Amino acid sequence: DAKTTQPTSMDCAEGRAANLPCNHSTISGNEYVYWYRQIHSQGPQYIIHGLKNNETNEMASLIITEDRKSSTLILPHATLRDTAVYYCIVRVGNRDDKIIFGKGTRLHILP
Amino acid sequence: DGGITQSPKYLFRKEGQNVTLSCEQNLNHDAMYWYRQDPGQGLRLIYYSQIVNDFQKGDIAEGYSVSREKKESFPLTVTSAQKNPTAFYLCASSPRDGNNYGYTFGSGTRLTVV
Repeated sequence: DAKTTQPTSMDCAEGRAANLPCNHSTISGNEYVYWYRQIHSQGPQYIIHGLKNNETNEMASLIITEDRKSSTLILPHATLRDTAVYYCIVRVGNRDDKIIFGKGTRLHILP
Repeated sequence: DGGITQSPKYLFRKEGQNVTLSCEQNLNHDAMYWYRQDPGQGLRLIYYSQIVNDFQKGDIAEGYSVSREKKESFPLTVTSAQKNPTAFYLCASSPRDGNNYGYTFGSGTRLTVV
């Protein structure tokens, strides 16, 4: 089973910030939080990842709570092209490392 | 440019036939993975390989087989034993060392069995 829980779907108005939450209450100290997104009929695309500090890149920001039990992906100025399924993943990080995907959050950007 | 290539993009096969999906990467990644995705669902892990000549079953390996004879290649065979093979198949790769790298995914193969 996936180690994260996310809302099934969310709406966001175009031009506004989209804030996607993720709970990962059983995360271990050496596990990173990764975010991917999947646009319809394409392979998932890496967005961002972090351990405990907040991270920002050209696509998004990742805010991780101090206890690391939850995080939020922020798309600062959502566009229609950001409509996708967003997956929050905790990476195990050992020899049997494999990513378990949940069902993600379907983000609808509204014009 | 480095990347991961899946072919073909669309594949049609008759029921009862085996079919092999190709996955090639030139990223020098050690690990490779196969996922299956059904409409409206998340990704489910079929098989993965951390190193050449070694692979492990994922959550839904029944009816599938793989090989890893070369670092760059991880083909997936969908056998006639797979009860419901019509799906979107995704291949991914990642560096094996460390905990600081994400997966790179291919663009997928959509298999339809008629």
